[in-house]
Amino acid sequence: EADIYQTPRYLVIGTGKKITLECSQTMGHDKMYWYQQDPGMELHLIHYSYGVNSTEKGDLSSESTVSRIRTEHFPLTLESARPSHTSQYLCASRGQGLRSPLHFGNGTRLTVT
Amino acid sequence: SQQGEEDPQALSIQEGENATMNCSYKTSINNLQWYRQNSGRGLVHLILIRSNEREKHSGRLRVTLDTSKKSSSLLITASRAADTASYFCATDGNNDMRFGAGTRLTVKP
Repeated sequence: EADIYQTPRYLVIGTGKKITLECSQTMGHDKMYWYQQDPGMELHLIHYSYGVNSTEKGDLSSESTVSRIRTEHFPLTLESARPSHTSQYLCASRGQGLRSPLHFGNGTRLTVT
Repeated sequence: SQQGEEDPQALSIQEGENATMNCSYKTSINNLQWYRQNSGRGLVHLILIRSNEREKHSGRLRVTLDTSKKSSSLLITASRAADTASYFCATDGNNDMRFGAGTRLTVKP
């Protein structure tokens, strides 16, 4: 089992709240990713990072932001949550090699009421 | 889809039968990877095939890759009820990974 942790596991919040989803890994991986996945559906890449102080937007505009101040930590922030943000958020990391697989956390299931 | 199509979307078979899932993609790749996801959990890496490989085996898994057709297939032989999960292919190009919509496999005991 890979050492990548996401908290909280479940979160229910009201519209307009600011929230931060936490993701940490202990493998020293430089590359980290956030994916959004509706139940039973495909994964959408929303943000990724190549290393400290490096962040990139993915394909899906989720109105979220990320930061990468430390190698092991890649938090995702929603400034003002909306019901359309209800989804599962998956964090992943990978090593430097071209053939390195992604290691996933167990996800945060977010519900915005 | 960000990356392409996977088919079938859902597959139901009996234990002991083989399961075949297909994946097509749109861009050039360094490699293609297959992942498994149990309900409500994160994805787990199964197998990787490089762009210059045509076939790869790992236990009961067999993956093929046809770069001219931009397609891959995953075969699970002698399936078990514990193989019930969703299976995703992911294309690895540059520094980002893109996933297909997945195939939901149900193996009936």
